[in-house]
Amino acid sequence: LAKTTQPISMDSYEGQEVNITCSHNNIATNDYITWYQQFPSQGPRFIIQGYKTKVTNEVASLFIPADRKSSTLSLPRVSLSDTAVYYCLVNGDSNYQLIWGAGTKLIIKP
Amino acid sequence: DTAVSQTPKYLVTQMGNDKSIKCEQNLGHDTMYWYKQDSKKFLKIMFSYNNKELIINETVPNRFSPKSPDKAHLNLHINSLELGDSAVYFCASSRRLAAYNEQFFGPGTRLTVL
Repeated sequence: LAKTTQPISMDSYEGQEVNITCSHNNIATNDYITWYQQFPSQGPRFIIQGYKTKVTNEVASLFIPADRKSSTLSLPRVSLSDTAVYYCLVNGDSNYQLIWGAGTKLIIKP
Repeated sequence: DTAVSQTPKYLVTQMGNDKSIKCEQNLGHDTMYWYKQDSKKFLKIMFSYNNKELIINETVPNRFSPKSPDKAHLNLHINSLELGDSAVYFCASSRRLAAYNEQFFGPGTRLTVL
């Protein structure tokens, strides 16, 4: 099972671009990379998912290099409301791959 | 309309009691889950149901018993509550069984065992 490693915490300031990198050295061929966001006292919420190269939506971008052993979640021009815990998951089509790490606690300062 | 709802939001009880948490999803999804989140924010899957059938039963004490009366509901009953059961419990659902499917989470139930 592919496990993920991400920084425990990060700080940044309003208006900056924030990049959170996740390492997943044992990613399998059929695995996807998914990021979730969790605000205090709420359940996690899906942000973005990708398989390779770059994916962009209205919230974030996800960069995946060719070897797929890592991925970077990019949040453009963050605001205070982006303060949350961000989880990186690597999952295939087996339901037994639902392993969540501790996530990255992102704190945005004014 | 709330996609995944849980009741109650807070539950405070004494050791040894039995309690239940209810979960409902109105998304028409086939798969539902129960997660436990401890104070360090680790999310650990407890159970997974697909079309009312138990798929995953992780290393969870048998004091925890999930029940799925239909595809839209997955309830969690806990017997003989212990201090270590204190945590936030999240219900979630996804369209299909595959792990990469987007999961939709409920608001959580904060359980405190005294």
